[in-house]
Amino acid sequence: QKEVEQDPGPLSVPEGAIVSLNCTYSNSAFQYFMWYRQYSRKGPELLMYTYSSGNKEDGRFTAQVDKSSKYISLFIRDSQPSDSATYLCAKGGNKLVFGAGTILRVKS
Amino acid sequence: ETGVTQSPTHLIKTRGQQVTLRCSSQSGHNTVSWYQQALGQGPQFIFQYYREEENGRGNFPPRFSGLQFPNYSSELNVNALELDDSALYLCASSLSGVGEQFFGPGTRLTVL
Repeated sequence: QKEVEQDPGPLSVPEGAIVSLNCTYSNSAFQYFMWYRQYSRKGPELLMYTYSSGNKEDGRFTAQVDKSSKYISLFIRDSQPSDSATYLCAKGGNKLVFGAGTILRVKS
Repeated sequence: ETGVTQSPTHLIKTRGQQVTLRCSSQSGHNTVSWYQQALGQGPQFIFQYYREEENGRGNFPPRFSGLQFPNYSSELNVNALELDDSALYLCASSLSGVGEQFFGPGTRLTVL
């Protein structure tokens, strides 16, 4: 079993939709989680950094961690075509462990 | 404040050759981590350097080696290149070993 699993998609939504991106992880000891956005042929850009359970909001983005089910989510409100990218979840620490990434396409 | 920079942007090598990739960390950061990202995959951790010492290594063979310099910049060296080494190589810097990691644009390596 992989430490962090993520559905690769692609996920296609209309502009303005609420997007839900999800990952599961295997080790209940994991405490730090990150979401990165990666545009084609670019390096990953840090979007959200969360610790333990609960929600964290930043503008149109909300990150959620549910430790009981070992589930992490990223919600994007009012999605825009510029949000089209690959979204990577990662378990934090000195060694980041990434999911495979979900390709998101927002259609105008 | 400058972000993480990497050089070169891309390069092409042949099987069996050696390559050196370079990374300059973000101002004020003392930790550099290297990742390999194959097409369609998430980045895979190669190793991390904290204050010029290796601070953790992923599941990569010894022909992947690195250095960190007193100014916290870093090099990744790969010997005896194989076709499967073709990937995007990413460098990330952080304020400490477990802090938020900020990535550079990557070096795309093609091995023929």
